[in-house]
Amino acid sequence: ETGVTQTPRHLVMGMTNKKSLKCEQHLGHNAMYWYKQSAKKPLELMFVYSLEERVENNSVPSRFSPECPNSSHLFLHLHTLQPEDSALYLCASSQEGGGQEKLFFGSGTQLSVL
Amino acid sequence: RKEVEQDPGPFNVPEGATVAFNCTYSNSASQSFFWYRQDCRKEPKLLMSVYSSGNEDGRFTAQLNRASQYISLLIRDSKLSDSATYLCVPPASNYQLIWGAGTKLIIKP
Repeated sequence: ETGVTQTPRHLVMGMTNKKSLKCEQHLGHNAMYWYKQSAKKPLELMFVYSLEERVENNSVPSRFSPECPNSSHLFLHLHTLQPEDSALYLCASSQEGGGQEKLFFGSGTQLSVL
Repeated sequence: RKEVEQDPGPFNVPEGATVAFNCTYSNSASQSFFWYRQDCRKEPKLLMSVYSSGNEDGRFTAQLNRASQYISLLIRDSKLSDSATYLCVPPASNYQLIWGAGTKLIIKP
């Protein structure tokens, strides 16, 4: 079952590189999310889009730039990252985006910044 | 006090046993709760939704104690495939899902 697909699965980049993570949901949901998961730490919400409008930005550094061209697609553009940004980046979607509903996650991008 | 606290474990449990773990929260406005399971190097997947005082689904029972501000997950007749990390999620307000760091469960044959 691949309701939410993320690419790439793995990414290694240098601190001067620019890369993008892509997420696509096939569930007809209205809200999409980017989460960061570091080892042995809780998931950290980065960005939320509801009906293609950004509704939450949790003080994320500007080296992370989200883009939501439509309700099915979400991107996370990366530039001049730091080694501490190495983590699992998860995309998720939900029906309404109101904070009370279930999330469906993609398989994540394991990012390593050298 | 952290908003969500979970015992990180690991809980080492023999196959067939019953195991329970709790999740405490500090946001008293939470109306509903979720338990997700996450396998190693995989994404979290929804296990149970709790919208009232509790929910039961097969071998799994989730309960909410509003007075003491914790939710629990009980697994009966544990299987090897239950080995995973269990994440507690009490929603706060608008999009601010606050996640626990998870409890690692290892079922041994």
